[in-house]
Amino acid sequence: AQSVTQLGSHVSVSEGALVLLRCNYSSSVPPYLFWYVQYPNQGLQLLLKYTSAATLVKGINGFEAEFKKSETSFHLTKPSAHMSDAAEYFCAVSGWGSNSGYALNFGKGTSLLVTP
Amino acid sequence: NAGVTQTPKFQVLKTGQSMTLQCAQDMNHNSMYWYRQDPGMGLRLIYYSASEGTTDKGEVPNGYNVSRLNKREFSLRLESAAPSQTSVYFCASSEKRGGLEQFFGPGTRLTVL
Repeated sequence: AQSVTQLGSHVSVSEGALVLLRCNYSSSVPPYLFWYVQYPNQGLQLLLKYTSAATLVKGINGFEAEFKKSETSFHLTKPSAHMSDAAEYFCAVSGWGSNSGYALNFGKGTSLLVTP
Repeated sequence: NAGVTQTPKFQVLKTGQSMTLQCAQDMNHNSMYWYRQDPGMGLRLIYYSASEGTTDKGEVPNGYNVSRLNKREFSLRLESAAPSQTSVYFCASSEKRGGLEQFFGPGTRLTVL
Protein backbone atom coordinates (compact mmCIF):
# COMPACT_ATOMS: atom_id res chain seq x y z
CA ALA A 1 0.00 0.00 0.00
CA GLN A 2 1.08 3.55 -0.64
CA SER A 3 1.13 6.28 1.97
CA VAL A 4 2.57 9.72 2.56
CA THR A 5 3.65 11.55 5.69
CA GLN A 6 3.68 15.31 5.83
CA LEU A 7 6.05 16.69 8.42
CA GLY A 8 4.63 19.67 10.23
CA SER A 9 0.90 20.32 10.44
CA HIS A 10 1.56 24.08 10.54
CA VAL A 11 4.32 26.08 8.88
CA SER A 12 4.76 29.83 9.22
CA VAL A 13 6.97 31.93 6.93
CA SER A 14 7.48 35.61 6.35
CA GLU A 15 6.44 37.16 3.08
CA GLY A 16 9.35 36.84 0.66
CA ALA A 17 10.94 33.92 2.51
CA LEU A 18 11.51 30.41 1.21
CA VAL A 19 8.60 28.01 1.51
CA LEU A 20 9.48 24.37 2.26
CA LEU A 21 6.75 21.82 2.89
CA ARG A 22 7.92 18.28 3.55
CA CYS A 23 6.46 15.04 2.27
CA ASN A 24 7.83 11.52 2.54
CA TYR A 25 6.23 8.58 0.78
CA SER A 26 6.06 4.86 1.18
CA SER A 27 5.25 2.75 -1.84
CA SER A 28 5.83 -0.82 -2.96
CA VAL A 29 5.46 0.15 -6.61
CA PRO A 30 6.75 3.14 -8.58
CA PRO A 31 4.74 6.03 -7.18
CA TYR A 32 2.88 8.87 -8.74
CA LEU A 33 3.07 11.86 -6.40
CA PHE A 34 0.97 14.97 -6.22
CA TRP A 35 0.73 18.23 -4.34
CA TYR A 36 -2.67 19.86 -3.96
CA VAL A 37 -3.61 23.21 -2.45
CA GLN A 38 -6.86 24.04 -0.70
CA TYR A 39 -7.88 27.62 -0.07
CA PRO A 40 -10.45 28.28 2.67
CA ASN A 41 -13.88 26.85 1.92
CA GLN A 42 -12.83 25.59 -1.48
CA GLY A 43 -12.04 22.28 -3.13
CA LEU A 44 -8.56 20.95 -3.89
CA GLN A 45 -6.53 22.28 -6.78
CA LEU A 46 -3.57 20.47 -8.30
CA LEU A 47 -0.25 22.28 -7.87
CA LEU A 48 2.01 19.73 -9.53
CA LYS A 49 2.53 16.03 -10.14
CA TYR A 50 5.38 13.56 -10.55
CA THR A 51 4.78 10.67 -12.94
CA SER A 52 8.29 9.23 -13.40
CA ALA A 53 9.51 11.75 -15.96
CA ALA A 54 11.79 14.56 -14.72
CA THR A 55 12.59 14.40 -11.03
CA LEU A 56 12.27 18.18 -10.64
CA VAL A 57 8.67 19.11 -11.27
CA LYS A 58 7.45 22.65 -11.78
CA GLY A 59 3.90 23.57 -10.96
CA ILE A 60 1.60 26.53 -10.85
CA ASN A 61 2.09 29.73 -8.84
CA GLY A 62 5.90 29.32 -8.73
CA PHE A 63 5.92 26.06 -6.77
CA GLU A 64 8.17 23.14 -7.54
CA ALA A 65 9.00 19.77 -6.01
CA GLU A 66 11.86 17.32 -6.35
CA PHE A 67 11.42 13.56 -6.33
CA LYS A 68 14.25 11.90 -4.42
CA LYS A 69 14.00 8.14 -4.50
CA SER A 70 16.96 7.62 -2.16
CA GLU A 71 15.24 9.73 0.48
CA THR A 72 11.66 8.70 -0.44
CA SER A 73 10.80 12.38 -0.41
CA PHE A 74 8.81 14.81 -2.51
CA HIS A 75 9.19 18.16 -0.78
CA LEU A 76 7.39 21.26 -2.07
CA THR A 77 9.27 24.55 -2.35
CA LYS A 78 8.76 28.12 -3.47
CA PRO A 79 11.60 30.67 -3.43
CA SER A 80 9.57 33.62 -2.22
CA ALA A 81 6.29 33.40 -0.33
CA HIS A 82 3.34 35.63 -1.13
CA MET A 83 0.46 36.42 1.17
CA SER A 84 -1.81 34.67 -1.32
CA ASP A 85 0.05 31.37 -0.69
CA ALA A 86 -1.60 31.00 2.71
CA ALA A 87 -3.62 27.78 2.41
CA GLU A 88 -3.71 24.08 3.28
CA TYR A 89 -1.34 21.88 1.27
CA PHE A 90 -1.76 18.17 0.74
CA CYS A 91 0.71 15.63 -0.53
CA ALA A 92 -0.79 12.52 -2.14
CA VAL A 93 0.42 9.26 -3.66
CA SER A 94 -1.00 6.83 -6.17
CA GLY A 95 0.60 3.56 -7.15
CA TRP A 96 0.26 2.43 -10.74
CA GLY A 97 -0.73 -1.21 -11.02
CA SER A 98 -1.27 -1.68 -7.30
CA ASN A 99 -4.51 -2.68 -5.66
CA SER A 100 -5.02 0.89 -4.56
CA GLY A 101 -4.14 2.39 -7.90
CA TYR A 102 -7.59 3.75 -8.35
CA ALA A 103 -7.42 6.43 -5.69
CA LEU A 104 -5.06 8.82 -4.02
CA ASN A 105 -3.78 8.39 -0.49
CA PHE A 106 -3.45 11.81 1.11
CA GLY A 107 -1.25 13.14 3.84
CA LYS A 108 -2.89 14.94 6.74
CA GLY A 109 -2.06 18.32 5.34
CA THR A 110 0.15 21.28 6.20
CA SER A 111 -1.35 24.65 6.90
CA LEU A 112 0.87 27.44 5.55
CA LEU A 113 0.71 30.82 7.24
CA VAL A 114 2.41 33.78 5.58
CA THR A 115 3.13 36.79 7.78
CA PRO A 116 3.82 40.33 6.55
CA ASN B 1 -16.87 23.31 -18.75
CA ALA B 2 -18.12 23.20 -15.17
CA GLY B 3 -15.70 20.41 -14.16
CA VAL B 4 -16.97 18.58 -11.08
CA THR B 5 -20.13 19.88 -9.47
CA GLN B 6 -21.65 18.90 -6.14
CA THR B 7 -25.00 19.54 -4.55
CA PRO B 8 -25.91 20.66 -2.00
CA LYS B 9 -23.14 22.92 -0.70
CA PHE B 10 -24.39 22.83 2.87
CA GLN B 11 -26.72 20.50 4.74
CA VAL B 12 -27.82 20.04 8.33
CA LEU B 13 -29.39 16.73 9.31
CA LYS B 14 -30.75 15.25 12.48
CA THR B 15 -29.45 11.89 13.67
CA GLY B 16 -31.22 9.10 11.81
CA GLN B 17 -32.21 11.15 8.78
CA SER B 18 -31.13 10.13 5.32
CA MET B 19 -29.85 12.11 2.40
CA THR B 20 -28.06 11.79 -0.92
CA LEU B 21 -25.12 13.88 -2.03
CA GLN B 22 -24.99 14.42 -5.75
CA CYS B 23 -21.90 14.68 -7.93
CA ALA B 24 -21.53 15.16 -11.66
CA GLN B 25 -18.56 15.68 -13.98
CA ASP B 26 -18.50 16.88 -17.56
CA MET B 27 -14.95 15.83 -18.46
CA ASN B 28 -15.87 12.36 -19.72
CA HIS B 29 -13.77 10.78 -16.98
CA ASN B 30 -14.10 7.08 -16.28
CA SER B 31 -13.24 7.10 -12.58
CA MET B 32 -15.02 8.91 -9.79
CA TYR B 33 -14.41 9.09 -6.04
CA TRP B 34 -15.96 10.20 -2.77
CA TYR B 35 -13.75 11.49 0.05
CA ARG B 36 -14.45 12.95 3.43
CA GLN B 37 -12.27 15.59 5.03
CA ASP B 38 -11.98 15.96 8.78
CA PRO B 39 -9.65 18.33 10.67
CA GLY B 40 -6.17 16.85 11.05
CA MET B 41 -7.13 13.73 9.09
CA GLY B 42 -6.55 14.80 5.52
CA LEU B 43 -8.87 13.26 2.95
CA ARG B 44 -10.06 9.69 3.34
CA LEU B 45 -11.58 7.64 0.57
CA ILE B 46 -15.14 6.46 1.17
CA TYR B 47 -16.01 4.76 -2.13
CA TYR B 48 -14.81 4.87 -5.68
CA SER B 49 -16.01 3.86 -9.10
CA ALA B 50 -13.32 2.85 -11.56
CA SER B 51 -15.75 2.85 -14.45
CA GLU B 52 -19.44 3.06 -15.17
CA GLY B 53 -21.22 0.14 -13.54
CA THR B 54 -18.59 -0.63 -10.92
CA THR B 55 -18.11 0.59 -7.36
CA ASP B 56 -15.72 -0.40 -4.60
CA LYS B 57 -15.17 0.39 -0.95
CA GLY B 58 -12.45 2.70 0.16
CA GLU B 59 -10.92 3.28 3.55
CA VAL B 60 -14.05 4.41 5.44
CA PRO B 61 -17.19 2.98 3.75
CA ASN B 62 -19.29 2.16 6.82
CA GLY B 63 -22.58 4.05 6.93
CA TYR B 64 -22.50 5.01 3.26
CA ASN B 65 -23.74 3.67 -0.04
CA VAL B 66 -23.01 4.85 -3.56
CA SER B 67 -24.54 4.68 -7.00
CA ARG B 68 -22.79 5.24 -10.30
CA LEU B 69 -25.87 6.38 -12.17
CA ASN B 70 -24.09 6.83 -15.50
CA LYS B 71 -20.67 7.95 -16.64
CA ARG B 72 -21.28 11.52 -15.47
CA GLU B 73 -22.92 11.01 -12.08
CA PHE B 74 -21.84 9.40 -8.84
CA SER B 75 -24.01 9.82 -5.75
CA LEU B 76 -23.30 9.17 -2.08
CA ARG B 77 -26.12 8.17 0.27
CA LEU B 78 -26.30 8.29 4.03
CA GLU B 79 -29.14 5.98 5.06
CA SER B 80 -29.20 6.87 8.75
CA ALA B 81 -26.99 9.83 9.53
CA ALA B 82 -24.85 9.87 12.68
CA PRO B 83 -22.95 12.76 14.30
CA SER B 84 -19.69 10.99 13.36
CA GLN B 85 -20.57 11.67 9.73
CA THR B 86 -20.31 15.41 10.25
CA SER B 87 -17.64 16.30 7.73
CA VAL B 88 -16.86 17.96 4.43
CA TYR B 89 -17.46 15.63 1.51
CA PHE B 90 -15.58 15.92 -1.76
CA CYS B 91 -16.27 14.25 -5.04
CA ALA B 92 -13.46 13.82 -7.57
CA SER B 93 -12.93 12.34 -10.99
CA SER B 94 -9.97 11.21 -13.06
CA GLU B 95 -9.33 10.15 -16.59
CA LYS B 96 -8.26 6.60 -15.92
CA ARG B 97 -7.19 4.34 -13.15
CA GLY B 98 -4.08 5.46 -11.34
CA GLY B 99 -1.34 7.80 -12.43
CA LEU B 100 -3.24 10.91 -13.33
CA GLU B 101 -4.51 13.73 -11.24
CA GLN B 102 -7.97 13.90 -9.82
CA PHE B 103 -10.23 16.89 -10.26
CA PHE B 104 -12.23 17.90 -7.22
CA GLY B 105 -15.62 19.44 -6.70
CA PRO B 106 -16.19 22.34 -4.29
CA GLY B 107 -17.41 20.10 -1.48
CA THR B 108 -20.52 19.60 0.64
CA ARG B 109 -20.37 20.68 4.26
CA LEU B 110 -22.58 18.30 6.27
CA THR B 111 -23.53 18.69 9.92
CA VAL B 112 -25.40 15.93 11.74
CA LEU B 113 -26.98 16.99 15.01
